[in-house]
Amino acid sequence: DIQMTQSPSSLSASVGDRVTVTCRASQSINTYLNWYQQKPGKAPKLLIYAASTLQSGVPSRFSGSGSGTDFTLTINSLQPEDFATYYCQQSYITPRTFGQGTRVEIK
Amino acid sequence: QVQLVQSGAEVKKPGASVKVSCKASGYTFTTYAISWVRQAPGQGLEWMGWISAYNGNTNYAQELQGRVTITTDTATSTAYLELRSLRSDDTAVYYCARDSGKFDSWGQGTLVTVSS
Repeated sequence: DIQMTQSPSSLSASVGDRVTVTCRASQSINTYLNWYQQKPGKAPKLLIYAASTLQSGVPSRFSGSGSGTDFTLTINSLQPEDFATYYCQQSYITPRTFGQGTRVEIK
Repeated sequence: QVQLVQSGAEVKKPGASVKVSCKASGYTFTTYAISWVRQAPGQGLEWMGWISAYNGNTNYAQELQGRVTITTDTATSTAYLELRSLRSDDTAVYYCARDSGKFDSWGQGTLVTVSS
C-alpha cells in the first residue's frame, strides 16, 4: 500500500494568513493526488484534484502543486470558513489511501 | 445536480451485520464507480472499497477482505455496503462517494454504532 504522510498534523493561523500543508507519498504517484476539506459533522469536500486542478466552485485562494512524492496545498489569505481539517488522498492505485489529516485552527 | 443520499443511522450488536445504502441521482449511474470511506470518531478517513457501477467489478481494502461486500442495483441507481461480523471498532460514520479517481460527490454519511 502507498502511505500518505501529511505535515503538520495541526496548525494555528489567523485570518489573512497564508497556510501551507504538505503531503508525502511513500512512492511516486505522478500527479494522482487529491485534496479534501472536512468540517465537523460534514462529509469531506473535494478541493483540488490531479495535484493542481481546482474543483469547480472552489475559491481561487486554494492551490495545489507537486508531483512524484511531494505535494503542497496552499491557502492564500485564510478566511474564517477555511478553518477545517484537510486530507490528501492518492488515486494512483488501490487501496486509495488518505493522509492522516491536518487540522487548521484559529490562532 | 449530483446527489448521493444514504440510509439512516444503525445500532448493531457485536457479531451482527449491517447494510448501508447510497442512492445516486443527477448523473448516469453506470458511468462512475462508487467508493465507500469510513471515519471512526475523532479519526481520519479510511477507504474501504470500490465498485464499478458499469460492470460490478470490486476492490476491497485488505484488512476488510472477507467481511465486506459492495454491490449495486443499476435499476435504482443504488450502491450498497454490507459489513459482517461487526466489532466495536467498526463504530464509525460511513460515506459513499462518486469515484472517478477523485471523490467529487459524497453522501451525507451514515453513523453505524456497534455496542452490546
